[in-house]
Amino acid sequence: GEDVEQSLFLSVREGDSSVINCTYTDSSSTYLYWYKQEPGAGLQLLTYIFSNMDMKQDQRLTVLLNKKDKHLSLRIADTQTGDSAIYFCAERSSASKIIFGSGTRLSIRP
Amino acid sequence: DAGITQSPRHKVTETGTPVTLRCHQTENHRYMYWYRQDPGHGLRLIHYSYGVKDTDKGEVSDGYSVSRSKTEDFLLTLESATSSQTSVYFCAISESGGDTEAFFGQGTRLTVV
Repeated sequence: GEDVEQSLFLSVREGDSSVINCTYTDSSSTYLYWYKQEPGAGLQLLTYIFSNMDMKQDQRLTVLLNKKDKHLSLRIADTQTGDSAIYFCAERSSASKIIFGSGTRLSIRP
Repeated sequence: DAGITQSPRHKVTETGTPVTLRCHQTENHRYMYWYRQDPGHGLRLIHYSYGVKDTDKGEVSDGYSVSRSKTEDFLLTLESATSSQTSVYFCAISESGGDTEAFFGQGTRLTVV
């Protein structure tokens, strides 16, 4: 079945780059997403990548997709305090379900 | 934000009582989803709908039922609430099944005592 895995916590220093990793199991996934959740809020789409791409860049965000290894990463350049949040990786499966990972809580050190 | 409204936003109920959560959208999107969010588990799909009266189970559907009699409304019912169903519930909508993002509601915090 579909499964998405990510580490639970990441701590980085302000100004450094953050890299959040994710692995998934459904090889027929069409789209892969990164969502951000701030405290007490719903989920906000940050960026997404189509399965036939291997990289996408959007301002400070870079998404890398290794389809062979079913590995997805999100790099946030010049991490700021406003980037503190939980980041969810998600895949759109062939059955049109959207399956989420457990979320990575990103904390920023001064 | 996309036009998604969840109601109620907060609810406390007793074990064994029925509870219905409502998701209402004004976007005319075809797909609607119900998720629950629990610490350490992320978002887990309960049920989803791909059209009026067309629904399917997600990964944690036991103890939940859904109905979609109109495009704009997707109801989640807990027939007999249990403490394990204490959670934050999110509704999401998506225009199509394969190539668009899902927009999320603000969530409903349900506590079963």
